[in-house]
Amino acid sequence: QVQLVQSGAEVKKPGASVKVSCKASGYTFTNYAIFWVRQAPGQRLEWMGWINAGNGNTKSSQNFQGRVTITRDTSASITYMELSSLRSEDTAVYYCARDGGGVFSYYMDVWGKGTTVTVSS
Amino acid sequence: DIAMTQSPDSLAVSLGERATINCKSRQSVLYSSNKKNYLAWYQQKPGQPPKLLIYWASIRESGVPDRFSGSGSGTDFTLTISSLQAEDVAIYYCQQYYRSPPTFGQGTKLEIK
Repeated sequence: QVQLVQSGAEVKKPGASVKVSCKASGYTFTNYAIFWVRQAPGQRLEWMGWINAGNGNTKSSQNFQGRVTITRDTSASITYMELSSLRSEDTAVYYCARDGGGVFSYYMDVWGKGTTVTVSS
Repeated sequence: DIAMTQSPDSLAVSLGERATINCKSRQSVLYSSNKKNYLAWYQQKPGQPPKLLIYWASIRESGVPDRFSGSGSGTDFTLTISSLQAEDVAIYYCQQYYRSPPTFGQGTKLEIK
């Protein structure tokens, strides 16, 4: 079945970077895009960015002021999201989700279980 | 960005009764050329990721019970649960995908009365 398996929880200090992975299985990786979405405690879901797993094109939210980098490894069917210059407000659960429209940036039809990132000194 | 606002913020409904959640977008998410509303609904239970319920405003995702339905067009949308079950306790979110960035409503917490 279609699955997205994310890497484990991380604890980071302010100013550090974190790299979260998302391994896809059960479908043709390059036929779909992957979204990254985060959810801070008690907050609404926030779109961070998107990568077309086929051609590697990316789009990131301006809210992160260039701190988000999304990449993929097609040989391993893995997508990565790196967030730099971490601050306490980046403490959140980070999700990857598949683009239900293929590569059109539509709805999110399959989600990973989430990766908790805690930023604390 | 297209702001999405849900109402109410929380809702308590008796088992077997109807639950209605509203979502309003600041601008229309109806694409005139294909007559599609770029609107999805998700359900999130505690400690779990969101789950897709509805897309294109009214298309039920495979495996979603038929007591869930979506309606509306343009800027005003509704998620209806026709007969509330205990397992429907969750937070529900709407999302527009008409224009990047995709944006979500603030969520509606649904509880049993």
